[in-house]
Amino acid sequence: SQTIHQWPATLVQPVGSPLSLECTVEGTSNPNLYWYRQAAGRGLQLLFYSVGIGQISSEVPQNLSASRPQDRQFILSSKKLLLSDSGFYLCAWSRETQYFGPGTRLLVL
Amino acid sequence: AQSVTQLGSHVSVSEGALVLLRCNYSSSVPPYLFWYVQYPNQGLQLLLKYTTGATLVKGINGFEAEFKKSETSFHLTKPSAHMSDAAEYFCAVSPAGNTGKLIFGQGTTLQVKP
Repeated sequence: SQTIHQWPATLVQPVGSPLSLECTVEGTSNPNLYWYRQAAGRGLQLLFYSVGIGQISSEVPQNLSASRPQDRQFILSSKKLLLSDSGFYLCAWSRETQYFGPGTRLLVL
Repeated sequence: AQSVTQLGSHVSVSEGALVLLRCNYSSSVPPYLFWYVQYPNQGLQLLLKYTTGATLVKGINGFEAEFKKSETSFHLTKPSAHMSDAAEYFCAVSPAGNTGKLIFGQGTTLQVKP
């Protein structure tokens, strides 16, 4: 069966520091991968999605970037965090149906 | 362009009462439709989905939803609410044949009162 992992689970970072969140998928190959952000009290915002290694589509211009160095690895990064980057970050994989990871809670102070 | 509207950001029911969470969509092609549930500080869990075939779809935890093309709706129901059903629920749509990219509604928080 397929599983999806995200780490870290929780992160507290100062404004201006870099960010790296990692997502890995097991039990499938060549999945589509997604990064979402969920701000407090708001819905899901699709940030990036990828249909293959090195192929990244950005949905919203922002302070973040994504990379897919391996087939089942998806990384969300920032060079300098902003207060507005705080939120709950969710990774998902799909073929026909999306399945979500456990999420990373990011607090930027 | 596709869109999803969930009517009511908060719904409150008594334990044992009927749960009805409303979802309407717009899509230019026959859509795939999904309901997800999110418990606090967790990821989203798939409750049920409609792709093709039978329009009444049964999911986990006693939930079901009916695809009504004429009403462009995919409402989620459960005959009897349990305290453990308290969570946030998201409806989502994906055009048929899409790679899996979804458009989500804004979510409905379900409160279950004892």
